[in-house]
Amino acid sequence: AIQLTQSPSSLSASVGDTVTITCRASQGIGSALAWYQQKPGKAPKLLIYHASNLDSGVPSRFSGSGSGTDFTLTISSLQPEDFATYYCQQFNNYPQTFGGGTKVDIK
Amino acid sequence: VQLVESGGGVVQPGSSLRLSCVASGFTFSTYGMHWVRQAPGKGLEWVGVIWFDGSKTYYLDSVKGRFAISRDNSKKTVYLQMNNLGAGDSAVYYCARDPGSGNFFHDYYGQGTLVTVSS
Repeated sequence: AIQLTQSPSSLSASVGDTVTITCRASQGIGSALAWYQQKPGKAPKLLIYHASNLDSGVPSRFSGSGSGTDFTLTISSLQPEDFATYYCQQFNNYPQTFGGGTKVDIK
Repeated sequence: VQLVESGGGVVQPGSSLRLSCVASGFTFSTYGMHWVRQAPGKGLEWVGVIWFDGSKTYYLDSVKGRFAISRDNSKKTVYLQMNNLGAGDSAVYYCARDPGSGNFFHDYYGQGTLVTVSS
């Protein structure tokens, strides 16, 4: 199975900061990567698909980049509602796998 | 789009349970459907998928032979039959829609249903 390694596992940031989360795949997956946001007690929400495509209704301060094995989620000008846990997911092949998650909390 | 899971509960080790996920707001028969779980305080784990027409299913290795995904397109419902449950299967189980046949990402999730395996 393809392993996805997210870093950091947690970070503290302030409103207005720019945050970058990385996701590294154990083998190449092209652009078959998605990013999700999850808040406590809630279901995951799709943010980015195919590495860099913003899902409908997702604020433009979220952006994704990368291909192959290295991917990045960037949140520009962090807002209070962005404090959450973020997961990457590969759908290049089965079993689909998720990264371990990055918890973004308030500094 | 709405996905509503049900069927969770507290069961003993070795028991069986069937989860259901009822869909509405879209043409169910044209979308693949996934099950994803999350153990308490842990990350997300993909469990399996069924293609839009039910022709293909794929599973996480640790549930192969114990779990089975099926669907009834006439009822807009996908099922997760779980047999021989163990403590490691305790989790919130989410169904999720695949915007393609069944080999893409997940664009909508249900609210989840909690399964607790305990003696």
